[in-house]
Amino acid sequence: AQSVAQPEDQVNVAEGNPLTVKCTYSVSGNPYLFWYVQYPNRGLQFLLKYITGDNLVKGSYGFEAEFNKSQTSFHLKKPSALVSDSALYFCAVRPFSGGYNKLIFGAGTRLAVHP
Amino acid sequence: EAGVAQSPRYKIIEKRQSVAFWCNPISGHATLYWYQQILGQGPKLLIQFQNNGVVDDSQLPKDRFSAERLKGVDSTLKIQPAKLEDSAVYLCASSLGGTGSSYEQYFGPGTRLTVT
Repeated sequence: AQSVAQPEDQVNVAEGNPLTVKCTYSVSGNPYLFWYVQYPNRGLQFLLKYITGDNLVKGSYGFEAEFNKSQTSFHLKKPSALVSDSALYFCAVRPFSGGYNKLIFGAGTRLAVHP
Repeated sequence: EAGVAQSPRYKIIEKRQSVAFWCNPISGHATLYWYQQILGQGPKLLIQFQNNGVVDDSQLPKDRFSAERLKGVDSTLKIQPAKLEDSAVYLCASSLGGTGSSYEQYFGPGTRLTVT
């Protein structure tokens, strides 16, 4: 079955420190990978995506993510966390079925950045 | 550029009642999606429209849920009759393309439904 796993319910980090939010996936073929962020009472906002090419992709607000095919992972990273980065982060995968633009989401990881 | 609009933002109903949600996608976006997000879980796709045609409704509980996208623009999602387990946030999203594309999806603020 196709799935996305975010192994940490919550990640705590001090402001100014680097952060990593983990994501692994299980799909057939070469998937497209996405990260979205959700702030309270707001919809999901697109952060970045990996389609092909360089394994390190850069996105909005200083975030980046590294695609690792052998480990089937797509971890989200930021060199220096801000308190305003505190939110709920979702990893999503679009299986390369050649068909529709369907996304499968992980359960989400809550990021808490402390001053 | 205006984002995806949804209404209402909040709705409380009793079980067995009916409810409808409305979505207006970003102008020019051909593909529209409805997701259900239960508390503590990631969004789950209910139905996907390409223009005004359904391309994926495999996870839509068709005995109680229905959706339409008239004229390929606005869409409504209806639940009739509602069950307690339908309590969730219903998210609408849109993208430029659908089939065979990698276009990112843009989400509306969602409608939080509480069924009592």
